[in-house]
Amino acid sequence: GAVVSQHPSRVICKSGTSVKIECRSLDFQATTMFWYRQFPKQSLMLMATSNEGSKATYEQGVEKDKFLINHASLTLSTLTVTSAHPEDSSFYICSARDRATGSAYGYTFGSGTRLTVV
Amino acid sequence: QKEVEQDPGPLSVPEGAIVSLNCTYSNSAFQYFMWYRQYSRKGPELLMYTYSSGNKEDGRFTAQVDKSSKYISLFIRDSQPSDSATYLCAITDTGGFKTIFGAGTRLFVKA
Repeated sequence: GAVVSQHPSRVICKSGTSVKIECRSLDFQATTMFWYRQFPKQSLMLMATSNEGSKATYEQGVEKDKFLINHASLTLSTLTVTSAHPEDSSFYICSARDRATGSAYGYTFGSGTRLTVV
Repeated sequence: QKEVEQDPGPLSVPEGAIVSLNCTYSNSAFQYFMWYRQYSRKGPELLMYTYSSGNKEDGRFTAQVDKSSKYISLFIRDSQPSDSATYLCAITDTGGFKTIFGAGTRLFVKA
């Protein structure tokens, strides 16, 4: 089945530094990838939709200058948390949809990245 | 009103019990329905999906959709400790571009 690789799985960084998270579709091409944030015991909150070759679409309330998204190829999207602060500590998850199937179902999720800003 | 309502639980049941997980949604424009299972500190994995009203069965899992009342359910038969996880319902619009997740229900199956 479709596999999405996300790394790092865990990262601890100092306040003020930037962190890059990668999301790769391993066996399929994804024109669209999604970035979510999840706080403990809460659901997934969509942050932005990443489209290959174009600018990402951010959800209301998400700072695009803080959460930089790049979708440079059909298999890779990156999320960079710039000038991270402790309140950015969270679980970040990406998902991707197979371009070939175009299915409305079953976006494949990465395994998530636990970011801790100290 | 949230677009998808799901009781976060936790729900604790003994091994072998039948589990019923439910969600309600408010917008009839959403036509695709999914259930994801998420283990602690992992990304969600698709468990079941359906489009039409009625039941869909896959092993011990049954997904049920009632579009008239905007109610979706997941039933787990003969629950196992390995079923302990958070279960998220999700709905997607017709174009497949917007997916809304429920809050997730934490399930504990005790051996």
